[in-house]
Amino acid sequence: SQTIHQWPATLVQPVGSPLSLECTVEGTSNPNLYWYRQAAGRGLQLLFYSVGIGQISSEVPQNLSASRPQDRQFILSSKKLLLSDSGFYLCAWSVQRDPPVLLHFGNGTRLTVT
Amino acid sequence: DAKTTQPTSMDCAEGRAANLPCNHSTISGNEYVYWYRQIHSQGPQYIIHGLKNNETNEMASLIITEDRKSSTLILPHATLRDTAVYYCIVRGTGTASKLTFGTGTRLQVTL
Repeated sequence: SQTIHQWPATLVQPVGSPLSLECTVEGTSNPNLYWYRQAAGRGLQLLFYSVGIGQISSEVPQNLSASRPQDRQFILSSKKLLLSDSGFYLCAWSVQRDPPVLLHFGNGTRLTVT
Repeated sequence: DAKTTQPTSMDCAEGRAANLPCNHSTISGNEYVYWYRQIHSQGPQYIIHGLKNNETNEMASLIITEDRKSSTLILPHATLRDTAVYYCIVRGTGTASKLTFGTGTRLQVTL
């Protein structure tokens, strides 16, 4: 069966520090991968998605970046965190088939920038 | 992608059916209706999806009107564990298979 791992579960970082969040998927090949962010009391915002190794699409301009160095690995990074980067970050995957689009989410990382 | 409109919040007594409405009046012919839910501090969970016909699975039923401009998610016997934010999403075919989540309906199941 397929599983998705996301870590760390919680993170407190000072403003201006770098960020690296990692997500890995097991049990499937060539998945679509996604990074979403949820600010407190808000809906989910799609940040990045990837349909293959090295293929990253950005949905919103920001100081975050994403990379996909391996088929089932998706990394969210920042060189310098802002206070506004605080939120709940969720990684998700779906099969490379459209439609339907069935997303499978990880348990998320709660990031607090102080 | 078609826009969806959902009530901000709803209450339901435990054991009763929870009926969550969603309006998607601009839906086009190839767009699916998806329902996900998010329990507090967890990632969203897929519930059900449909195109034209009504659908039922072990979690819920999805009723889509004949003109497809609205739908209703039905939890037949709501429990306290069903308290969550429920998202209705409409999405057609596309190269990226993206899903855009709105603010959803916060369902509170009470004793």
